[in-house]
Amino acid sequence: DQQVKQNSPSLSVQEGRISILNCDYTNSMFDYFLWYKKYPAEGPTFLISISSIKDKNEDGRFTVFLNKSAKHLSLHIVPSQPGDSAVYFCAATNFGNEKLTFGTGTRLTIIP
Amino acid sequence: EAGVTQFPSHSVIEKGQTVTLRCDPISGHDNLYWYRRVMGKEIKFLLHFVKESKQDESGMPNNRFLAERTGGTYSTLKVQPAELEDSGVYFCASSQDHSYGYTFGSGTRLTVV
Repeated sequence: DQQVKQNSPSLSVQEGRISILNCDYTNSMFDYFLWYKKYPAEGPTFLISISSIKDKNEDGRFTVFLNKSAKHLSLHIVPSQPGDSAVYFCAATNFGNEKLTFGTGTRLTIIP
Repeated sequence: EAGVTQFPSHSVIEKGQTVTLRCDPISGHDNLYWYRRVMGKEIKFLLHFVKESKQDESGMPNNRFLAERTGGTYSTLKVQPAELEDSGVYFCASSQDHSYGYTFGSGTRLTVV
């Protein structure tokens, strides 16, 4: 039973445009959400997070939006750059619990 | 600051053999985690150490997997005997406190043939 779902296995976006990666979750106990970025042959790298008390968190070109009623979050990258090409994982947890539940990842390709 | 180090980076073993994966966390990080990604699927939690103690091992698939963290420093994950379904990439991560911005290692790609 997959509690965190990333339904798009891949996404291609033109350089300079906005990339939007989506994530849905089913467990209503989740109250903290994270995005990780992974390059080939490397481990995931923490990108940005959001607590359920917020609906938006911004860090430079990266913004995460949370819609609790829809159990949906999205990561916006603008403008997209070639170095953003990677696999992006959405993860969720119940704050205070150290265990993260990850999605299957979305491969983002930025086209120059 | 040195990152999380895992070795070997790759391991190919035959079904029924034993393999031991090692993880060296960032110095001073009390929290150490093991995760696994099976081909194309999600990254799944295996277990969490706080210093040398197992805090949560709810993700360990079965008793063929044994994790240790002697002295609260490096950790090993032994698979004995290995089965085909154990193939995947095993990631280790560490953190200093209750922070979710774990630092992950590059992983060990295990192939059981």
